[in-house]
Amino acid sequence: GNSVTQMEGPVTLSEEAFLTINCTYTATGYPSLFWYVQYPGEGLQLLLKATKADDKGSNKGFEATYRKETTSFHLEKGSVQVSDSAVYFCALYSGGYQKVTFGTGTKLQVIP
Amino acid sequence: DTGVSQNPRHKITKRGQNVTFRCDPISEHNRLYWYRQTLGQGPEFLTYFQNEAQLEKSRLLSDRFSAERPKGSFSTLEIQRTEQGDSAMYLCASAGSDRRNEKLFFGSGTQLSVL
Repeated sequence: GNSVTQMEGPVTLSEEAFLTINCTYTATGYPSLFWYVQYPGEGLQLLLKATKADDKGSNKGFEATYRKETTSFHLEKGSVQVSDSAVYFCALYSGGYQKVTFGTGTKLQVIP
Repeated sequence: DTGVSQNPRHKITKRGQNVTFRCDPISEHNRLYWYRQTLGQGPEFLTYFQNEAQLEKSRLLSDRFSAERPKGSFSTLEIQRTEQGDSAMYLCASAGSDRRNEKLFFGSGTQLSVL
């Protein structure tokens, strides 16, 4: 079946540091890949997505590139802010199963 | 677009009691999902509706769990004879009819605590 593995947290960074959160996946077919974010006290919301190999998703300064050869979708941001503190979930969607499979989440804490 | 609404936000119950949660999806969305999330884990898929039809159920969903979506609008998730292991955040999400649009819109969840 489908599965997503992401690096364990928590990740603590100083403001303006570079962020990488690793994500790898196992899936049949050609899944779409996502990063969802959950801010404290809020519901999950889509951060970015990529639907095919070599696509780059981007939003709010975050980027992730769909790497089929390494089955990875690592999240990056060049300069994090305190407001980026949240839990980040890597996820995949396989149309045949009509559902999104999530990783366990990585908590990011950015300190001033 | 008022978003996905879930009620109640919090539910505390005693072991053995039945509980029911409600989800109101975005009005034009025909796909509806229930997920369960425990502390430190990602959301785990429970069940999926397309309109009023329940098309998929996870093996995680024991016989004590039942979900309905009458008339293809709101959905309810009922847990009978609750157990302490049922304590979790129950999330509802909806999506539009275009299967190529995989974006899920999540509600804020119902936090269940079984004492």
